[in-house]
Amino acid sequence: QKEVEQNSGPLSVPEGAIASLNCTYSDRGSQSFFWYRQYSGKSPELIMFIYSNGDKEDGRFTAQLNKASQYVSLLIRDSQPSDSATYLCAFYTGGFKTIFGAGTRLFVKA
Amino acid sequence: EPEVTQTPSHQVTQMGQEVILRCVPISNHLYFYWYRQILGQKVEFLVSFYNNEISEKSEIFDDQFSVERPDGSNFTLKIRSTKLEDSAMYFCASSEQLGLSYNEQFFGPGTRLTVL
Repeated sequence: QKEVEQNSGPLSVPEGAIASLNCTYSDRGSQSFFWYRQYSGKSPELIMFIYSNGDKEDGRFTAQLNKASQYVSLLIRDSQPSDSATYLCAFYTGGFKTIFGAGTRLFVKA
Repeated sequence: EPEVTQTPSHQVTQMGQEVILRCVPISNHLYFYWYRQILGQKVEFLVSFYNNEISEKSEIFDDQFSVERPDGSNFTLKIRSTKLEDSAMYFCASSEQLGLSYNEQFFGPGTRLTVL
């Protein structure tokens, strides 16, 4: 069974701080990794994807992938109250299927 | 900006009834998906669809579920005989391409299905 593990949180950080979200996955054949943001009652919204080892930066977001350790993380710099949401880690295995983790709730305190 | 749309936003039905959830994927997308999310739980893959046939389905997608692309724009999920445990948010998604390492899916706003 291919799985994604995330700490459910909540992770609470003050406004302006760096939020660090982590995820591990079980399938060594996984090819692409995604971070989605989901506000309560809304659909997932893609914020980052990464498929090569190392770091990928996009604005305030940095995704980090370590395939040897089967670990992917998301850093959010200068966290804002509007970043408060559930962050879903997901991986794509190269078939027609994306596996999601249960998500980490992030709360940014103003 | 093109987006995936879904109707209805909320569907209430009696146990044992059939429901059809509708989706209009982004127009140039070729790959379509249904996911469900039971309240407070993870997003679960149901089925993917390409070239007018199912590409992959999960264990959840049993004989009571079916999908169809009845015309050039709509993509539907049918649940033949709903059960209480089918109550969930159902998300449709679409993607333009299916590369070897990359598959960006765009999600619709979801249909909340309540089975009484």
